[in-house]
Amino acid sequence: QKEVEQNSGPLSVPEGAIASLNCTYSDRGSQSFFWYRQYSGKSPELIMFIYSNGDKEDGRFTAQLNKASQYVSLLIRDSQPSDSATYLCAVPSPDKIIFGKGTRLHILP
Amino acid sequence: DTEVTQTPKHLVMGMTNKKSLKCEQHMGHRAMYWYKQKAKKPPELMFVYSYEKLSINESVPSRFSPECPNSSLLNLHLHALQPEDSALYLCASSTAGGSSYEQYFGPGTRLTVT
Repeated sequence: QKEVEQNSGPLSVPEGAIASLNCTYSDRGSQSFFWYRQYSGKSPELIMFIYSNGDKEDGRFTAQLNKASQYVSLLIRDSQPSDSATYLCAVPSPDKIIFGKGTRLHILP
Repeated sequence: DTEVTQTPKHLVMGMTNKKSLKCEQHMGHRAMYWYKQKAKKPPELMFVYSYEKLSINESVPSRFSPECPNSSLLNLHLHALQPEDSALYLCASSTAGGSSYEQYFGPGTRLTVT
């Protein structure tokens, strides 16, 4: 059974600091990885996807993938109160996407 | 435009009612999905339509039945639901089947079964 592990948090980060969210996965053959942001009561929003080892940057967000160690992380620079949400790591398997349980991020004003 | 629309936004139904949830996308995506999400849990996949072929999560009760009238529309028919079926129901779509493609979610339908 493929698994995706995330620390459930809450992770509290001061406004303006870097928030670091981590995810590990069990299937060494996984090729693509997604990060979704979900505000309370809302639907998940795709914010980053990464397919290759290394870093991928998009605005204040950086996704990092290390296939050898089987982890993927999401860095949020200059954290804002509006970044407070649950962040879901997702890893595809043949018929579906496997979601981690999500990490609750709280940005302290 | 990565928009998936869902109606209704909220639904309250009794255990003897029959209702339907609707989902639509105009992105030309060929795969559409229904998920169920309970509070503080990740989404759970219920059904996948990929190139008009249905895949079912075997654990989904028969009181939920999907319908895909065309490649842009996906319905979820509800009948004789139980209070534990109360949840956020999410529709998603992706470019093609095969989970390497990123999925885009609609706003969801908040369902309450009384």
